[in-house]
Formats: sequence, structure tokens, C-alpha cells
Amino acid sequence: AQKITQTQPGMFVQEKEAVTLDCTYDTSDPSYGLFWYKQPSSGEMIFLIYQGSYDQQNATEGRYSLNFQKARKSANLVISASQLGDSAMYFCAMRGLLTGGGNKLTFGTGTQLKVEL
Amino acid sequence: DTGVSQDPRHKITKRGQNVTFRCDPISEHNRLYWYRQTLGQGPEFLTYFQNEAQLEKSRLLSDRFSAERPKGSFSTLEIQRTEQGDSAMYLCASSKTSLGETQYFGPGTRLLVL
Repeated sequence: AQKITQTQPGMFVQEKEAVTLDCTYDTSDPSYGLFWYKQPSSGEMIFLIYQGSYDQQNATEGRYSLNFQKARKSANLVISASQLGDSAMYFCAMRGLLTGGGNKLTFGTGTQLKVEL
Repeated sequence: DTGVSQDPRHKITKRGQNVTFRCDPISEHNRLYWYRQTLGQGPEFLTYFQNEAQLEKSRLLSDRFSAERPKGSFSTLEIQRTEQGDSAMYLCASSKTSLGETQYFGPGTRLLVL
């Protein structure tokens, strides 16, 4: 079984500042992938960044970076230079990569980010 | 490169009616997934297909729910005898077959059962 915990229901950040969204996970799979998605009010889930459990480097994609700490089972998303358009719901998700049921994503409950002027 | 599309985007129905949703995946993706998202929650897995084969179903998928992907391209999700508890966003995603492949989501279908 897999579990994702996002303990911040809501976060505020000022435009141009950096913000960290927390994610902790629990799994018995030896190999797994961690994902972050953004969901604007329109509803579509937009893929942001992926980290494999055996990747040596933390993943980065433009203004997004993933602070992966395997021993702590955390995969925090860092957004640098926040923009007004970053205001949205952010979901952390994971899936096992080796088990037979490893195709489905398990999501957390999300963090609502609001970027302010 | 077109993304995942879903139709309709919104559906309002009365309790007891049947509804059907359609999902068209990204063309080169042979895996297709359905998720359900209720208010204030993250998406929950319902079922997935590899080509036309339905390989996994969640226990959330009661016998009132049925999904098909007849030719390994588009998929339909049907809910029979809808209940108010079925009100949710139904999200479709697709991916390639390789392990670790990212799932790309469509815009979702918002269902409201009155």
C-alpha cells in the first residue's frame, strides 16, 4: 500500500518569492516514482515534475525543483520566483515501479497555493 | 501534439439516470486510466487499460460502473442508476507503457447528480 501526506491545506506566497510545498510518503515498494501535479480552478491536472527513487540528482524543471530526501521519505516541491499564475491546487503523487499494481497513481489531498502581489 | 480530451466537460443528471463519458488519449499512448476526484480530495484510481485490455479495477468501481476501450483507442466510462454520491470530477489520463512513464490528464468531466 502507498500513502501520500500533504499537511499544508493552504499556503500564501508573495510574487517573486520562493515557496516550498511539503509531501511525505510511505510505501513498501523498493522502487517508486514521485510526481507533482498542478490543478488550476479549471480542473485539469498538469504534470510538473518527476523523481525516481533511484535517481541520484534531485529533479528540476524550470522554476520547479523537487527536494527529495529518501531517508525522510519526503519529496517537497520548491517553486522559485512565484508568479500569479502559479495560484492553484498542487498534488503530490506516487506509484510503485516494480509491483504488479504499480501503474496507478496514489495522490495526497493537495495544497492550495495563493500567490499575492 | 494534442493532449488528452474528454467529453462532455460538464454533466448534470437526475438520480437514477445513466451517464456515459468519453476519453480520447494522446495518440501514441497505449495505457489509459480513469480516476475520480471528489471535492477537497486528490484523485482516486478507478481502472486502467493497456490497449483494449482492462488490467486493473479499484474496489471503488461498483457494479454500476463499467469502462470499455473497444479498439484500444478511446475509452468510455458508464455509470448506471446514478446516485448523488457519484457527483465528482471524472479524470482520464494516458501514458506510454514503460515503467515510470508520466500520466497526462485530460480536462475532466464534472458530474452533478441531482
